Amino acid sequence: GAVVSQHPSRVICKSGTSVKIECRSLDFQATTMFWYRQFPKQSLMLMATSNEGSKATYEQGVEKDKFLINHASLTLSTLTVTSAHPEDSSFYICSATDGANVLTFGAGSRLTVL
Amino acid sequence: GENVEQHPSTLSVQEGDSAVIKCTYSDSASNYFPWYKQELGKRPQLIIDIRSNVGEKKDQRIAVTLNKTAKHFSLHITETQPEDSAVYFCAASKKNDKIIFGKGTRLHILP
Repeated sequence: GAVVSQHPSRVICKSGTSVKIECRSLDFQATTMFWYRQFPKQSLMLMATSNEGSKATYEQGVEKDKFLINHASLTLSTLTVTSAHPEDSSFYICSATDGANVLTFGAGSRLTVL
Repeated sequence: GENVEQHPSTLSVQEGDSAVIKCTYSDSASNYFPWYKQELGKRPQLIIDIRSNVGEKKDQRIAVTLNKTAKHFSLHITETQPEDSAVYFCAASKKNDKIIFGKGTRLHILP
């Protein structure tokens, strides 16, 4: 079945630094990848939709200059949290579709900003 | 845009009994309805899905029903087991569009 790899699984950084999270589809080409954020005991909130070769589409309330998304190839999308602050601490999960609506999730990245 | 409501937020059932989780959606153009199970600290896993041309789908102890007219869909788990304890999310989307999730149901299976 479809496999999505996400790295790093955990990251701790100091306030003001930037963190990059990678999402790779390992055995299929993902024209579209999605980035979600999940706070403890809450649902998955869609942050942005990433299409290969074009600018990401951000959901309302998500700062595009703070959460930089790049989808340079059909198998890789990256999320960079710039100038991270403690309130950005969360579980970030990417997902990718094979074009048939089936959504496969990465393992998630737990970001802690000190 | 699409809005997905999910109830209940928490559900406790005795082991062996059935559990039902209900969701509604707002966009009549949505045609794909997956259900995900998320265990603590892990990624969501697809457990079953249904498309709008089907009213019901079953996979062993899990079944999903869809009422497109009422824009309702439900997850049914029969003969519940301890390993069914998790958070369950319903979701809805249009073909090749973003998937919007409900707020989740925390299911507790009581011994």
